[in-house]
Amino acid sequence: AQSVTQLGSHVSVSEGALVLLRCNYSSSVPPYLFWYVQYPNQGLQLLLKYTTGATLVKGINGFEAEFKKSETSFHLTKPSAHMSDAAEYFCAVRGTGTASKLTFGTGTRLQVML
Amino acid sequence: EAQVTQNPRYLITVTGKKLTVTCSQNMNHEYMSWYRQDPGLGLRQIYYSMNVEVTDKGDVPEGYKVSRKEKRNFPLILESPSPNQTSLYFCASSLGSQAPNTEAFFGQGTRLTVV
Repeated sequence: AQSVTQLGSHVSVSEGALVLLRCNYSSSVPPYLFWYVQYPNQGLQLLLKYTTGATLVKGINGFEAEFKKSETSFHLTKPSAHMSDAAEYFCAVRGTGTASKLTFGTGTRLQVML
Repeated sequence: EAQVTQNPRYLITVTGKKLTVTCSQNMNHEYMSWYRQDPGLGLRQIYYSMNVEVTDKGDVPEGYKVSRKEKRNFPLILESPSPNQTSLYFCASSLGSQAPNTEAFFGQGTRLTVV
């Protein structure tokens, strides 16, 4: 079975500060990992994904994430937060042996303060 | 434009009155699924479909039905809605097991309130 744990349901940062959203996964097979963002009253939009190859993955809007197999982690970072980054962020995992099911974490709401 | 379309976006109904939320995708995806989103619980899968006429239960299927008569459409049916089904619902589609490294595309969501 696969699962995802997102530490911190709410994270607050100042504009211009580093954003770090944590995600740890559990999967019995090599995983595919995804970060999605949800802006208010909208659906989920893909930020970035890890499949194979380079462990540092760059996404849209300046976000990136690093796959660390030894730590079973896939933390999302952005060097400098912007007000427009305020949203809810979801980490998700899909195992290669499953019926394409995406398993989501409980989400982290990012607040950006002036 | 590639998209998943859900309707309606907002719905208020009364307990026991049957309703259907429609979902349609234009990407020829094989795999479609329904999720509900509740505060503190993230997204939980209700039902999924691997192809036409192939559907199966997800993690929280009680009180819901689905059908997949055509590849593009995957409606969610609540035969007798109850207040505990008040939630935000998302339909998603993806290429499926042929390409597990590809992302799922999501609809805009349907906010359902059952009173």
